Amino acid sequence: QVQLVESGGGVVQPGRSLRLSCAATGFSFSTYNMHWVRQAPGKGLEWVALISYDGNNIYYVDSVQGRFTISRDNSKNTLFLQMNSLRAEDTAVYYCAKGPLAGYYDTWGQGTPVTVSA
Amino acid sequence: DIQMTQSPSSLSASVGDRVTITCRASQSVAGYLNWYQQKPGKAPKLLIYSASSLQSGVPSRFSGSGFGTDFTLTISSLQPEDFATYYCQQSYNTPITFGQGTRLEIK
Repeated sequence: QVQLVESGGGVVQPGRSLRLSCAATGFSFSTYNMHWVRQAPGKGLEWVALISYDGNNIYYVDSVQGRFTISRDNSKNTLFLQMNSLRAEDTAVYYCAKGPLAGYYDTWGQGTPVTVSA
Repeated sequence: DIQMTQSPSSLSASVGDRVTITCRASQSVAGYLNWYQQKPGKAPKLLIYSASSLQSGVPSRFSGSGFGTDFTLTISSLQPEDFATYYCQQSYNTPITFGQGTRLEIK
């Protein structure tokens, strides 16, 4: 059964850091590009970052460039998102998602909530 | 960045109705257009990929069409479980972008 399970979310003060994880099971993790997508409360979906299957190609939305780092450990079938210098506007549910090269997401995790508040 | 604009932003319809949601891209995305359904508190679910391909397990009442900049999602006969929010997404290039969503409500 193909499954993605996020963890690591929580409440954090502005300027602090948080590391999200996404554990993958049921598919060949090392052959898929992986993404993080977020959704602020009551708002739409926003793509955050993409890492290629081998980790060699990485892309970010402008609003997190220089603050967030996406990475993966193919030996542990796990995706990460290191979030530094967090801002109130980063408050959202963060989803990891997988899909083929065509870029659609056929599997999503259940999401992990991140709240940035003093 | 490619801007994705959905219309309408909200829609009221009845069970059995035929519904069409439109998505327009600010520049061509070729066929790299995907549709998702999201229910409150849940992760999005893929319905249509590559503009017109039905994801496995999705009922055939859902269909997609279009190419380039103009796309549509059609639900041929609304069922109670279809009341949700729908998003289009372009995967033509980064940054990957979504439409603002269309909330489909029961009339």
